[in-house]
Amino acid sequence: KQEVTQIPAALSVPEGENLVLNCSFTDSAIYNLQWFRQDPGKGLTSLLLIQSSQREQTSGRLNASLDKSSGRSTLYIAASQPGDSATYLCAVRWGAQKLVFGQGTRLTINP
Amino acid sequence: NAGVTQTPKFQVLKTGQSMTLQCAQDMNHEYMSWYRQDPGMGLRLIHYSVGAGITDQGEVPNGYNVSRSTTEDFPLRLLSAAPSQTSVYFCASSYSGRPYYGYTFGSGTRLTVV
Repeated sequence: KQEVTQIPAALSVPEGENLVLNCSFTDSAIYNLQWFRQDPGKGLTSLLLIQSSQREQTSGRLNASLDKSSGRSTLYIAASQPGDSATYLCAVRWGAQKLVFGQGTRLTINP
Repeated sequence: NAGVTQTPKFQVLKTGQSMTLQCAQDMNHEYMSWYRQDPGMGLRLIHYSVGAGITDQGEVPNGYNVSRSTTEDFPLRLLSAAPSQTSVYFCASSYSGRPYYGYTFGSGTRLTVV
């Protein structure tokens, strides 16, 4: 079964720290992997998309890496800010219409 | 702004009532999907469409119907609402064809069935 796991479920760090969120998946035959941010009561905002042929993508303070062979992706957030507090979701695309989500990591940045 | 628009944002239904959740996108995306998000369950695929006139079931289709008469619109119908359908519903869209683009999500509809 194709599954996505995100650990930890929650993370609390002081402002200014660099941090890593983890995503693992069970089948390496992916099309792509997408990281989303979700604020409480809001929709999903796409942060980064990594195609299966890529190793990493960067946007501002965010960097996402992909290692298909080990079934892992990481989202690196540099110099964290209180505004980064949100739930971060990892979603893996295994088919044209098969997007499977992890349960998310709830991130809190303390001022 | 271009994107995925969902209406209504909030809805309360009584058990047995029917309603339609609306979803529209203006990006000319071929692929459209409906997800529900429940605490502890994550996002799960209800139904999807690969183009006008073509729909198929996802992981949790029971109790929901869809149709797609145009590229832009993909409504989700609840025929007889049940408390188990209390959830947050998200519509998403994407371009077709390789390399596969990412999905764009709407802001969601929060549905409560009493």
